[in-house]
Amino acid sequence: QVQLVQSGSELKKPGASVKVSCKASGYTFTRYAMNWVRQAPGQGLEWMGRINTNIGNPTYAQGFTGRFVFSLDTSVSTAYLQISSLKAEDTAMYYCARDNTYGYGVDYWGQGTLVTVSS
Amino acid sequence: QSALTQPASVSGSPGQSITISCTGTSSDVGGYNYVSWYQQHPGKAPKLMIYDVSNRPSGVPDRFSGSKSGNTASLTISGLQAEDEADYYCSSYTSSSTRVFGTGTKVTVL
Repeated sequence: QVQLVQSGSELKKPGASVKVSCKASGYTFTRYAMNWVRQAPGQGLEWMGRINTNIGNPTYAQGFTGRFVFSLDTSVSTAYLQISSLKAEDTAMYYCARDNTYGYGVDYWGQGTLVTVSS
Repeated sequence: QSALTQPASVSGSPGQSITISCTGTSSDVGGYNYVSWYQQHPGKAPKLMIYDVSNRPSGVPDRFSGSKSGNTASLTISGLQAEDEADYYCSSYTSSSTRVFGTGTKVTVL
């Protein structure tokens, strides 16, 4: 069965960096793009962007350029989200989510990784 | 890219039907038949309920249906049940080859 398992919660100080992992299993990793979605506390979903897991090229949404980097390690079927120069407003749950098999949308989600930025 | 507009809340009694709207522009909702809907219960990851405007993934009850007219997509829940109480988000493909979510709607079962 398809599973996306994300790394655990992180507590970071402002200005630090964090790298969130998303390990996929149960399917061929390079067949489906991986999306990243942010949800600030009590807020809605924001699409951050996606990465083509076959050729590795990322697409970033407006507002998620510069400090946000998507990467892959296809040898271990894992996608990564790295955020640098963390700010308090980066405090959020971050989800990875796989492109839908049959059409538009995302069909499998990771459990989420809570990143807290606080001094 | 601005978020798609959804009503903040919708409510209904068990057994009733409710409809959630999702309004965008001709550069997103109106331009493509690429709208999806997600259900999110508190503390849980979202779940895909509808893709490509009106298609249900396997396992999603047929009480959930989707449609689109112009720049507005809609999710209808027929025969509302207590377990349908959750937040719902629409999403659309955009002319910039990106995706955008809606503002979210809290569904309350009275």
